[in-house]
Amino acid sequence: DSGVTQTPKHLITATGQRVTLRCSPRSGDLSVYWYQQSLDQGLQFLIQYYNGEERAKGNILERFSAQQFPDLHSELNLSSLELGDSALYFCASSPQGYTEAFFGQGTRLTVV
Amino acid sequence: AQSVAQPEDQVNVAEGNPLTVKCTYSVSGNPYLFWYVQYPNRGLQFLLKYITGDNLVKGSYGFEAEFNKSQTSFHLKKPSALVSDSALYFCAVRDYGGATNKLIFGTGTLLAVQP
Repeated sequence: DSGVTQTPKHLITATGQRVTLRCSPRSGDLSVYWYQQSLDQGLQFLIQYYNGEERAKGNILERFSAQQFPDLHSELNLSSLELGDSALYFCASSPQGYTEAFFGQGTRLTVV
Repeated sequence: AQSVAQPEDQVNVAEGNPLTVKCTYSVSGNPYLFWYVQYPNRGLQFLLKYITGDNLVKGSYGFEAEFNKSQTSFHLKKPSALVSDSALYFCAVRDYGGATNKLIFGTGTLLAVQP
């Protein structure tokens, strides 16, 4: 158990809908990262937050947004969903610095 | 910009034989390198890291990795493979450009250990 909790584990929704994925980082970790894993794109970095502030944006679509709350949990919002958004979405957290990050079990999103 | 490359999509090895999963890196500055493993329908699990110090790094489940600065490589190794080692392995590097310290991943290598 990495200490990073993601909910829900699975999500099936229709095209055009909006969903919210939730992540609780390890206790004390200020950085939260979101990644998307799909068969054709591999592991893609989406966005990073540090102590509530956005630190970096990667290949995140404009239809996607995220935030980190004062209690450090984070949410990834995906809207106007398309079939191609079906993927595994991971959240990771790490303490300050350049040490390892710890990953949650992921949310498997299926858009039908 | 920092990057890593995993030149092999798949590595096949017989149980009991040594295994190597290759990774090369490209960084400006000091490299902070990591290996992760992903079992089916699971998250990524941290195996080991190189930050500084000894070039041979030991990690979880009997894995080790050798940092080679002249060859810009960080290959993952294990002396004797187990069927249960079959999984997807990712090499990663910390990106410390600007305000971020995100991990940048390679494309992954599927390790298949045959009984």
